[in-house]
Amino acid sequence: KNQVEQSPQSLIILEGKNCTLQCNYTVSPFSNLRWYKQDTGRGPVSLTIMTFSENTKSNGRYTATLDADTKQSSLHITASQLSDSASYICVVSILTGGGNKLTFGTGTQLKVEL
Amino acid sequence: DAGITQSPRYKITETGRQVTLMCHQTWSHSYMFWYRQDLGHGLRLIYYSAAADITDKGEVPDGYVVSRSKTENFPLTLESATRSQTSVYFCASNGNNEQFFGPGTRLTVL
Repeated sequence: KNQVEQSPQSLIILEGKNCTLQCNYTVSPFSNLRWYKQDTGRGPVSLTIMTFSENTKSNGRYTATLDADTKQSSLHITASQLSDSASYICVVSILTGGGNKLTFGTGTQLKVEL
Repeated sequence: DAGITQSPRYKITETGRQVTLMCHQTWSHSYMFWYRQDLGHGLRLIYYSAAADITDKGEVPDGYVVSRSKTENFPLTLESATRSQTSVYFCASNGNNEQFFGPGTRLTVL
């Protein structure tokens, strides 16, 4: 069982609408939680990074929230655009002797349509 | 250009052949990583390197070899490719507590 579970697996929304993607994790001890955007045929690009003490962080139209008690995070996208069509990956980082170890979710595939 | 680059971007090879995927970064980041991405799985760490001449295994290292003679380069070699190694491979480097990913190499093993 993946230690980072994302839902939904895929989502289709109309341009201009808002949406929220979910991430539940069991990884511990927790260091930070990251959201990445991956366009088709490209590498992931960082959107937000939140530490244990942060419960919200924004990057333009993207707002991530974190509840470290329930081990849940969400990524809210406001006023979606066609360019938001991508896979959104939740990544949990734990601190080990070898540095940060990242555990990746399988992603939510978002499609924004006209 | 500054950043992290991978070559080739696409590669088709046959079972049993040796294949080397190249990764180059211009930031002089100490840490570099190799991941593979397969449907139904999150990115999985193959190998990582903390500095030149320092490498360590990740989650799925079997069948792969890495080297790091220079800080900026981190090649990944499949010594005898198998069909199960068909995947998209991403190289990454760490800077300012962020991981920066290359564009990926799509490898098909026939």
